[in-house]
Amino acid sequence: KAGVTQTPRYLIKTRGQQVTLSCSPISGHRSVSWYQQTPGQGLQFLFEYFSETQRNKGNFPGRFSGRQFSNSRSEMNVSTLELGDSALYLCASSLDSSHKGEYGYTFGSGTRLTVV
Amino acid sequence: AQSVTQLDSHVSVSEGTPVLLRCNYSSSYSPSLFWYVQHPNKGLQLLLKYTSAATLVKGINGFEAEFKKSETSFHLTKPSAHMSDAAEYFCVVSDKGNKLVFGAGTILRVKS
Repeated sequence: KAGVTQTPRYLIKTRGQQVTLSCSPISGHRSVSWYQQTPGQGLQFLFEYFSETQRNKGNFPGRFSGRQFSNSRSEMNVSTLELGDSALYLCASSLDSSHKGEYGYTFGSGTRLTVV
Repeated sequence: AQSVTQLDSHVSVSEGTPVLLRCNYSSSYSPSLFWYVQHPNKGLQLLLKYTSAATLVKGINGFEAEFKKSETSFHLTKPSAHMSDAAEYFCVVSDKGNKLVFGAGTILRVKS
């Protein structure tokens, strides 16, 4: 079966612009989480969506937002981009969100965002 | 809150020798624990997971990990390293909800 698909793979934006990243989870998975990976901070949780509702949020400014559609596809948006937003953005798909990870998490290949 | 400490930022082994990547965790309840691997410019691949069943967990590519509650450890091992094992490895604990808390990562180098 198809894995987690993230688009685009690479993106270059200018400071002050906004960007939208997309994640299509594995068919049947209803939970989508987003993570930011940087050399300095490592992997950090952004937010999780389940059945179109944000269930959990990390410690990121309000410039970072997301949403989930009825088909479980998710988008994250970053407004007013800063140089420090340059990172690999990963999404993870899971069957459900009601357990402590028993269903496991499958990650996409990520979107590499560069802010110049 | 849950946390994970990977005790080595870099590990170097020779091909064919055992691999040991160390991980300690902190959790206020019975955790789920994972090991993920990331090859350069790639996403994360799940190696194995512990979710309160057997304490010795076998994963893909010959890796295994043992959950030791008394030591709050979840070390990753492999009997014989292969060149293709060179990558960065992350120990991960599942926090409340569906939030994963990652360790800082261990870069494994395999020498020929």
